[in-house]
Amino acid sequence: DQQVKQNSPSLSVQEGRISILNCDYTNSMFDYFLWYKKYPAEGPTFLISISSIKDKNEDGRFTVFLNKSAKHLSLHIVPSQPGDSAVYFCAASAGWSGGSNYKLTFGKGTLLTVNP
Amino acid sequence: ETGVTQSPTHLIKTRGQQVTLRCSSQSGHNTVSWYQQALGQGPQFIFQYYREEENGRGNFPPRFSGLQFPNYSSELNVNALELDDSALYLCASSPRTSGFSKETQYFGPGTRLLVL
Repeated sequence: DQQVKQNSPSLSVQEGRISILNCDYTNSMFDYFLWYKKYPAEGPTFLISISSIKDKNEDGRFTVFLNKSAKHLSLHIVPSQPGDSAVYFCAASAGWSGGSNYKLTFGKGTLLTVNP
Repeated sequence: ETGVTQSPTHLIKTRGQQVTLRCSSQSGHNTVSWYQQALGQGPQFIFQYYREEENGRGNFPPRFSGLQFPNYSSELNVNALELDDSALYLCASSPRTSGFSKETQYFGPGTRLLVL
């Protein structure tokens, strides 16, 4: 029972173009969403997050969009750079119950390759 | 300010043995969460520690246990190792506030465990 799904195992884009990574979720209790980037032999690095009260959050080249009715979020990277090549994980957490809001449920990840 | 550190980086054990993994949280962070990342999967929540007490647990058997120390560092112990325990074990720390805000979890580089 996978509550967070990243259906594209990989994505390849040209340098300077837009990268769009998608994520779907099934648990309607999720109210906070995060994107992490992971290089080989390193732990996941936090990129950007969004609360369910918003539909967009922007930080430099990274923008996350949330469509609650569709239970879908996406990460846009513009412009894409070769250094962005990594595995991107979508993660979600649900509510507040004395601390369990910190439990993150992750998708399987999407490998992004940005070609020079 | 140092980030999250984990030791050892790699470990090889045999079935039935016991293992202890260690994590030092980021300065100012009082909450530590542990995740298991199997090959090709996203990280899965094992448990979280706050103020030296377990505060939330994922779907892992009791042979997975942990500790948090007064300096907020943490240990993950796994008894009676099985082949399927081979994975990357990630520690994440976060600041815990008294309010209902969501705080981002910051990950260490992980410990890669191989069970033969």
